Amino acid sequence: SQQGEEDPQALSIQEGENATMNCSYKTSINNLQWYRQNSGRGLVHLILIRSNEREKHSGRLRVTLDTSKKSSSLLITASRAADTASYFCATDVSGGYNKLIFGAGTRLAVHP
Amino acid sequence: DADVTQTPRNRITKTGKRIMLECSQTKGHDRMYWYRQDPGLGLRLIYYSFDVKDINKGEISDGYSVSRQAQAKFSLSLESAIPNQTALYFCATGGRAGAQETQYFGPGTRLLVL
Repeated sequence: SQQGEEDPQALSIQEGENATMNCSYKTSINNLQWYRQNSGRGLVHLILIRSNEREKHSGRLRVTLDTSKKSSSLLITASRAADTASYFCATDVSGGYNKLIFGAGTRLAVHP
Repeated sequence: DADVTQTPRNRITKTGKRIMLECSQTKGHDRMYWYRQDPGLGLRLIYYSFDVKDINKGEISDGYSVSRQAQAKFSLSLESAIPNQTALYFCATGGRAGAQETQYFGPGTRLLVL
């Protein structure tokens, strides 16, 4: 079974609203990363949070990590139609060697 | 030009055929990866290589083989293709963006096995 499980599987919102996606994982991690995939294309790295960090920001993105609950969340504020994509969490369980295990993703649709 | 390129972008083949998917990168990274993605699922790691002399199996390596011809090139072969290998295949490289370890993905190869 996969290490990361995203919730919800699909999310539909209006432009300007915030979008929150959650990721749970099973084993200890070195870091957790979020990636974005536009329909059928390659993934693009968004943000990385290390196991000793609790929160990180990058532009309109906010990521939190709770290692006691083995969970992370990605918040996209003031969403735009261009944010429509699938979002994946990936955990590095290889002690920093960047061997990632991906979740199944959340499909986000932002409507104008 | 794209930093990570994959050829072909689309391929249709028949059961039992041997095919090769190729990946090239200009990022100068030592680490390279092959993943497959099935509809509604995340990416699953097939093989990875931390340098030219280092090849490792991922979680779903059965039915696949790889070759790291050079630092910049990492090929994936399906020795005898079967229909359940129909999927979207991605190559990625691993490197640093500032202080962060991240992966850079190619555009993908869409493979259909009939």
